[in-house]
Amino acid sequence: DIVMTQSPDSLAVSLGERATINCKSSQSVLYSSNNKNYLAWYQQKPGQPPKLLIYWASTRESGVPDRFSGSGSGTDFTLTISSLQAEDVAVYYCQQYYSTLPCTFGPGTKVDIK
Amino acid sequence: QVTLRESGPALVKPTQTLTLTCTFSGFSLSTSGMCVSWIRQPPGKALEWLALIDWDDDKYYSTSLKTRLTISKDTSKNQVVLTMTNMDPVDTATYYCARVPSMVQGGIWFDPWGQGTLVTVSS
Repeated sequence: DIVMTQSPDSLAVSLGERATINCKSSQSVLYSSNNKNYLAWYQQKPGQPPKLLIYWASTRESGVPDRFSGSGSGTDFTLTISSLQAEDVAVYYCQQYYSTLPCTFGPGTKVDIK
Repeated sequence: QVTLRESGPALVKPTQTLTLTCTFSGFSLSTSGMCVSWIRQPPGKALEWLALIDWDDDKYYSTSLKTRLTISKDTSKNQVVLTMTNMDPVDTATYYCARVPSMVQGGIWFDPWGQGTLVTVSS
């Protein structure tokens, strides 16, 4: 199975500042035949189920604020919150689906307000 | 509006079999590309994918848990059922079901998720 790691484990950012979360896969999740990276990002607020933010590494789900963006390719990916809002306090997970199944999640990164 | 809701026992004893039901609305599991999956989350820990069933009744399982899991669907009732045998305290977790909107090009992301159901394994 592809192993996903995330860094940092947690971070605290001032309101309005940028938050950057990194995700790394144990093997490339870039499918050469279609040039797509098989990676998604989720946000999980306390007491709630995860919510899809981004798929294909950089495609924002409908309704997700544009302060959230995904980038990267191959094995290294980044989720950026350009201007942190209070409602963005959550744990963020990356997930690969390159191997089709089983898919695997990263361990999560907790984002708090400084 | 797409919704999913998990149901099942809140408490099971070690060695028992867990049966969970996901009841959904707003989509049909007979639609090409559509899938429903189960994912769990132990308290304070990360997400773990468990199983998936697709529109064509193909089934996929976690590598580490596949001997204990069975997933099935009842399209007429809009339900997906997951059974997990030989439950252990380490299986204590919130169990979620989620839709895979379209498995086109192998795209397997989960949206939306149900609210989850907490299952505690204890004697």
